[in-house]
Amino acid sequence: SQTIHQWPATLVQPVGSPLSLECTVEGTSNPNLYWYRQAAGRGLQLLFYSVGIGQISSEVPQNLSASRPQDRQFILSSKKLLLSDSGFYLCAWSGRPVYNSPLHFGNGTRLTVT
Amino acid sequence: AQKITQTQPGMFVQEKEAVTLDCTYDTSDPSYGLFWYKQPSSGEMIFLIYQGSYDQQNATEGRYSLNFQKARKSANLVISASQLGDSAMYFCAMREQPYSGNTGKLIFGQGTTLQVKP
Repeated sequence: SQTIHQWPATLVQPVGSPLSLECTVEGTSNPNLYWYRQAAGRGLQLLFYSVGIGQISSEVPQNLSASRPQDRQFILSSKKLLLSDSGFYLCAWSGRPVYNSPLHFGNGTRLTVT
Repeated sequence: AQKITQTQPGMFVQEKEAVTLDCTYDTSDPSYGLFWYKQPSSGEMIFLIYQGSYDQQNATEGRYSLNFQKARKSANLVISASQLGDSAMYFCAMREQPYSGNTGKLIFGQGTTLQVKP
């Protein structure tokens, strides 16, 4: 069966520090991968998605970046965190065919920038 | 413009009763999919149910059913026989499927918080 791992679960970082959140998927190949952010009590905002290794599409201009160095690995990074980067970050994958496949989410990372 | 609208920020329901969570959407694509997710206080996103725009029948999954009214562009979630464990935030989401390609991304509504009273 397929599983998705996301870490760390919680993170407290000072403003201006770097960020690296990692997500890996097991039990499937060539998934679509996604990074979403959720502000407290709000909906999910799509940040990045990837349809293949090295292929990254950005949905929202910001100081975050994403990379997909391996088929089932998705990384969210920042060189310098801002206070506004605080939130709940969720990684997700979808299988094929894409049109009717739900997104399967990791357990999320709660990031607090102080 | 909002593509997914959930007009009920919060809802209460008595245990064992049915509840309907509203969702309206906006798209010009003839092919699309609608999804509902549950998010308990722990934060995980749990997939509940899917409805395709060409599906003739309303989707059902156990106690969950989707009241799909295509002409009205609404996809309401119905939870029958509510349980205390149903207390959570519920999100409606849409996937547009343009002929130019399908990235699979979902657009989410703002969510509805459901509280089940004993």
